[in-house]
Amino acid sequence: QKEVEQNSGPLSVPEGAIASLNCTYSDRVSQSFFWYRQYSGKSPELIMSIYSNGDKEDGRFTAQLNKASQYVSLLIRDSQPSDSATYLCAVSMFSGGYNKLIFGAGTRLAVHP
Amino acid sequence: DAGVIQSPRHEVTEMGQEVTLRCKPISGHDYLFWYRQTMMRGLELLIYFNNNVPIDDSGMPEDRFSAKMPNASFSTLKIQPSEPRDSAVYFCASSWTGANYGYTFGSGTRLTVV
Repeated sequence: QKEVEQNSGPLSVPEGAIASLNCTYSDRVSQSFFWYRQYSGKSPELIMSIYSNGDKEDGRFTAQLNKASQYVSLLIRDSQPSDSATYLCAVSMFSGGYNKLIFGAGTRLAVHP
Repeated sequence: DAGVIQSPRHEVTEMGQEVTLRCKPISGHDYLFWYRQTMMRGLELLIYFNNNVPIDDSGMPEDRFSAKMPNASFSTLKIQPSEPRDSAVYFCASSWTGANYGYTFGSGTRLTVV
């Protein structure tokens, strides 16, 4: 089992719809969770962080965390073509006494007009 | 803040040549990470430093790869000799206190070995 798993996609949604991106992780003691957006040919950009169970909203983005189910998701409301990118889920895990991020392989999102 | 600065942005080199990638982390960040990204393997952690000290280099593919961080504001990743399979985008990222607040990535270096 991979430490952080995401559906590779592509996830195709029409403009204006809600895009739902999902991620599961293996380490029950993970404390910090992040979503990165990566446009083609660009570097990953941090767009959301969440640390406690429940929802966290920032503009059109909502991150959801359920530690009991080891599940984190990202909802994008009113999806725009400019949201088309790869979304990487990252989860903090302790290894060798140090806390580092483990990245999923990413989900490619395509928003079509 | 200028963010994480990497150079060069693009590098094309011949097989067998030495390649040096450079990174300047965000001032005040105490962790620095080197990643490699390819379509096939995704984002791979190569090595990371804490307060200029290498902590985990288990991701370095082989002895041809080496990384140094002589001070808090500069790190290099060297490949010698380079091979075509090293072609990838190499990212440097930095953070404060490890993973608690996420990482900030540089713009990356696209390496092509011919």
